[in-house]
Amino acid sequence: EAQVTQNPRYLITVTGKKLTVTCSQNMNHEYMSWYRQDPGLGLRQIYYSMNVEVTDKGDVPEGYKVSRKEKRNFPLILESPSPNQTSLYFCASTAGPSVAAYEQYFGPGTRLTVT
Amino acid sequence: SQQGEEDPQALSIQEGENATMNCSYKTSINNLQWYRQNSGRGLVHLILIRSNEREKHSGRLRVTLDTSKKSSSLLITASRAADTASYFCATDGSYGGYNKLIFGAGTRLAVHP
Repeated sequence: EAQVTQNPRYLITVTGKKLTVTCSQNMNHEYMSWYRQDPGLGLRQIYYSMNVEVTDKGDVPEGYKVSRKEKRNFPLILESPSPNQTSLYFCASTAGPSVAAYEQYFGPGTRLTVT
Repeated sequence: SQQGEEDPQALSIQEGENATMNCSYKTSINNLQWYRQNSGRGLVHLILIRSNEREKHSGRLRVTLDTSKKSSSLLITASRAADTASYFCATDGSYGGYNKLIFGAGTRLAVHP
C-alpha cells in the first residue's frame, strides 16, 4: 500500500530536549516536505527536499533542521524545542519534481506538545 | 504567507444539500489543488486544476477556476455526513515559488444528518 508514515504520532516533551520526528514514504517519490498546522493558519511549509541531499527552507524554517540521506526518509529535527513549536506536524511526498503539478500524499500527522 | 484564502471559514448544511467553498489567491498560478482533512488527520488530495482549465469534475466534486478573478470554487453535490471535514485550497506560482505549495486556512464543513 502506498503510504507516508510518521513516528511518533504523539509526543510530549520539555523545552530544550532534542527530538526527531521520522518520515518515510514507499512510493519512490522525489519531493518530500514538512508542514506544521496551527489553528486559523492552515498549513505552513517548514522545509522541503527535491531529492537526496537537496533541501531548502519553506516559510517557517526557524528552529528546525532536516536531512535527506535516502530517498524514502526525511526526518525533521528540533534541536532545542520551545513551546511555540507545539503544533500538528505533517510530512508529505510528491511523485514529480514539482510539488505544484502533482498531488501530495500526506502522513497521518504528529501532534507535538512542548512544555 | 498565505496565497489562497478560503471562504467561508465555516459552513453548516443538511445532508443532501450542495456545499460551495471558494478560494481566492493573490498572484498568477500554474495549478490549484483542493485537499480534504478529517479532524486531526492527514490531508487527502481531491482535485488538481491547471491554469488553462476552467472546470473539472470528480464524482460529486466540481471545481472551477477563474484566473481573471484569481478565484476557484469547490462544489460538493448531494452532501453526506461523511463529507464533514475541512477543505483547503493550495496554490503555486510566482508567489510561493514553483516548487512550493501555499495553503489557505481552510473551510470547515459540517454536514448534518
